[in-house]
Amino acid sequence: EPEVTQTPSHQVTQMGQEVILRCVPISNHLYFYWYRQILGQKVEFLVSFYNNEISEKSEIFDDQFSVERPDGSNFTLKIRSTKLEDSAMYFCASSDLPGNYGYTFGSGTRLTVV
Amino acid sequence: GESVGLHLPTLSVQEGDNSIINCAYSNSASDYFIWYKQESGKGPQFIIDIRSNMDKRQGQRVTVLLNKTVKHLSLQIAATQPGDSAVYFCAEMRWNFNKFYFGSGTKLNVKP
Repeated sequence: EPEVTQTPSHQVTQMGQEVILRCVPISNHLYFYWYRQILGQKVEFLVSFYNNEISEKSEIFDDQFSVERPDGSNFTLKIRSTKLEDSAMYFCASSDLPGNYGYTFGSGTRLTVV
Repeated sequence: GESVGLHLPTLSVQEGDNSIINCAYSNSASDYFIWYKQESGKGPQFIIDIRSNMDKRQGQRVTVLLNKTVKHLSLQIAATQPGDSAVYFCAEMRWNFNKFYFGSGTKLNVKP
């Protein structure tokens, strides 16, 4: 069964450093997403991406965050200057049509900011 | 505002019993719902979905019930097994909005 793959599974970084979280969506999918889950809290939407541009972003997704599809297979989330409160699980997802079709989540990257 | 919430944060059941996990939502425009299972350290795993034009959908050992009148969703797991122990989230989407709103999660503990 097709999977969304995320790397690394765990990233530890110092406060103020830049991090890039990587995702390989399902190959024929066109819509890409990042979600975040702070420990013990709800999974929260961050951003959706289609046709090489952001289609929607939440208020969490401020100027410190950016997304990119650098090639035909990867989808990345960059945090420019990490803060302690950025520590969370970050989930990538992809879908092949707008809405709910084939919406699949990756296993996540645990980001720890120290 | 809209919210998706769960009535019970923790549910403990005996192996072999049936489990029922509940979810309330407040946005009447929600038209698509998914139940996700999340095991420790893993991403949300799709269990079953239902659209707002249905009130019941069955899968393998799982059934989702939707009551639009009271904006309530439930997940029934038949013959619960130790492998079912996880946190269960309901999530809602409004058509073409392209993002999910997740509930807080219910932790299911299955006792052998």
